[in-house]
Amino acid sequence: QQQVKQSPQSLIVQKGGISIINCAYENTAFDYFPWYQQFPGKGPALLIAIRPDVSEKKEGRFTISFNKSAKQFSLHIMDSQPGDSATYFCAALGSGGTSYGKLTFGQGTILTVHP
Amino acid sequence: DTGVSQDPRHKITKRGQNVTFRCDPISEHNRLYWYRQTLGQGPEFLTYFQNEAQLEKSRLLSDRFSAERPKGSFSTLEIQRTEQGDSAMYLCASSLWGGNTEAFFGQGTRLTVV
Repeated sequence: QQQVKQSPQSLIVQKGGISIINCAYENTAFDYFPWYQQFPGKGPALLIAIRPDVSEKKEGRFTISFNKSAKQFSLHIMDSQPGDSATYFCAALGSGGTSYGKLTFGQGTILTVHP
Repeated sequence: DTGVSQDPRHKITKRGQNVTFRCDPISEHNRLYWYRQTLGQGPEFLTYFQNEAQLEKSRLLSDRFSAERPKGSFSTLEIQRTEQGDSAMYLCASSLWGGNTEAFFGQGTRLTVV
């Protein structure tokens, strides 16, 4: 079964700190890696995404780092704010095989930013 | 609002009853996905459509589940003879395949089977 493993399960940071969430995947037939943010009772919202031909992508305070050889990617939230408190999911979109055309999600990280 | 719309937002049903959920995707999106999410877990893939064609169904989707997208626009997900284990958030997402592949999710339908 294709998997995306995410860590940590929960994360507490102080306001202004850096939040780092890591994901690792097993299937080489993934070709698109988005991160989603989800607030309680809401659907996941696309935050930022990267393709494997790029090692880093930055949008505002959010940065994805991608290591293709290690099959790992991570989300960095700079200057974390209390409003960033949410559950974050990494995901991978399949480009072939049994994963083709669908997103496989990690288990999620509950981020709490203390004021 | 031009996002993905799901209806109803919440559904409470008795075990054994049938329920149907509706999803209206972003209008130009040709791909539509259904996912299920239980508390503390990431969304799990159920099925997806390319236009009106259902391309894949997960093994999670038992024969009590059926999904349709009759005209390639909105989609319905029906659960027959609901069981307590069906209690979850059912999420719909849409994307434009062949171009921008970002998938956008709706707010979900929270199903509680009592």
